[in-house]
Amino acid sequence: SQQGEEDPQALSIQEGENATMNCSYKTSINNLQWYRQNSGRGLVHLILIRSNEREKHSGRLRVTLDTSKKSSSLLITASRAADTASYFCATDQAAGNKLTFGGGTRVLVKP
Amino acid sequence: NAGVTQTPKFQVLKTGQSMTLQCAQDMNHEYMSWYRQDPGMGLRLIHYSVGAGITDQGEVPNGYNVSRSTTEDFPLRLLSAAPSQTSVYFCASSYSWGMNTEAFFGQGTRLTVV
Repeated sequence: SQQGEEDPQALSIQEGENATMNCSYKTSINNLQWYRQNSGRGLVHLILIRSNEREKHSGRLRVTLDTSKKSSSLLITASRAADTASYFCATDQAAGNKLTFGGGTRVLVKP
Repeated sequence: NAGVTQTPKFQVLKTGQSMTLQCAQDMNHEYMSWYRQDPGMGLRLIHYSVGAGITDQGEVPNGYNVSRSTTEDFPLRLLSAAPSQTSVYFCASSYSWGMNTEAFFGQGTRLTVV
């Protein structure tokens, strides 16, 4: 099974609303990363949060990490139609040289 | 700066054929990896390499071979294609491992095995 699991699997919102998605993982990590994938394209790195960090911001993105609960959340504020994409969390596991991805959250932002 | 380049972008194979998916990066990254992505799913790690001459298996390595003779290139070989290998394949690279660095992805190779 995959290390990370995103919730919800799909999300539909109106432009201007906030979008929140969650990621849970199973084993100890060095860091957790969020990526975006537009339809038919490769993944693009959004933000990285280290295991000793609790919150990080980048533009309209806010990521939190709770290592005690083995979970993370990604908040996109004031969403735009261009934010329509799939979002994946990925964990850099403490054991082993592997970046492991969750199943993703499909976000649809309606104009 | 081209980043990570994958070729071909699309490929159709017959069952039993072999082929090599090419991946090249021009960022002098030590770490490279191959993933497959099936419809509606996340990425599953096939093989990875922490440097030239060093490779290791990921989550789903069966039916695939890799080698890393140079820092720049990390080809993925399908030995005898099967319909279950129909997928989109992504190559990724990062500067190093265990140093909290982001991964850069190619645009993917869409493979269909008939």
